Amino acid sequence: GQSLEQPSEVTAVEGAIVQINCTYQTSGFYGLSWYQQHDGGAPTFLSYNALDGLEETGRFSSFLSRSDSYGYLLLQELQMKDSASYFCASTGGFKTIFGAGTRLFVKA
Amino acid sequence: EAQVTQNPRYLITVTGKKLTVTCSQNMNHEYMSWYRQDPGLGLRQIYYSMNVEVTDKGDVPEGYKVSRKEKRNFPLILESPSPNQTSLYFCASSFVAVAGASYEQYFGPGTRLTVT
Repeated sequence: GQSLEQPSEVTAVEGAIVQINCTYQTSGFYGLSWYQQHDGGAPTFLSYNALDGLEETGRFSSFLSRSDSYGYLLLQELQMKDSASYFCASTGGFKTIFGAGTRLFVKA
Repeated sequence: EAQVTQNPRYLITVTGKKLTVTCSQNMNHEYMSWYRQDPGLGLRQIYYSMNVEVTDKGDVPEGYKVSRKEKRNFPLILESPSPNQTSLYFCASSFVAVAGASYEQYFGPGTRLTVT
């Protein structure tokens, strides 16, 4: 079946760097997206990788390796407001499959 | 303001009573989709639409219907709701990129549905 695996929880300290991994097993893979969701809110788009390599958007970066079916989201200079759930999502044509999400706790 | 709107935001209903959750976007997006979110399961796609009059099933379509008669609207219909459809529902929209990828989706605020 099609699936995306990510850790359920990650804890890090304010100002640190954290990496959230995502391994996928999907058919018709086009690319890997990342979304952030705060408690009570809607998911918001963070980043997308269609090609292998690193994409940087401010404090957030995302990486993809198609040969390893693996990607990660890197958050630098962590802030308390980064405490949220993070989802990787595979886009295969028009169908979208999300991972179960990683809950990030940022401690002072 | 560019946005996706959903109504109602909260709904408590009884088993078997037909209901419709509306979704509208003002960004001229071709692609629209419905998801349900349950604890520990992430977001699961119910139905999606590539354009007007073109829809297809996602991973969990059973018990749901959709229609896309206008580009901006994509209502979700539960003909006979059951308690296992109690969930948080999100509508999303996006442009369609190269080769059909819909990778940057904009989400509505969500509809919390409880079926008793």
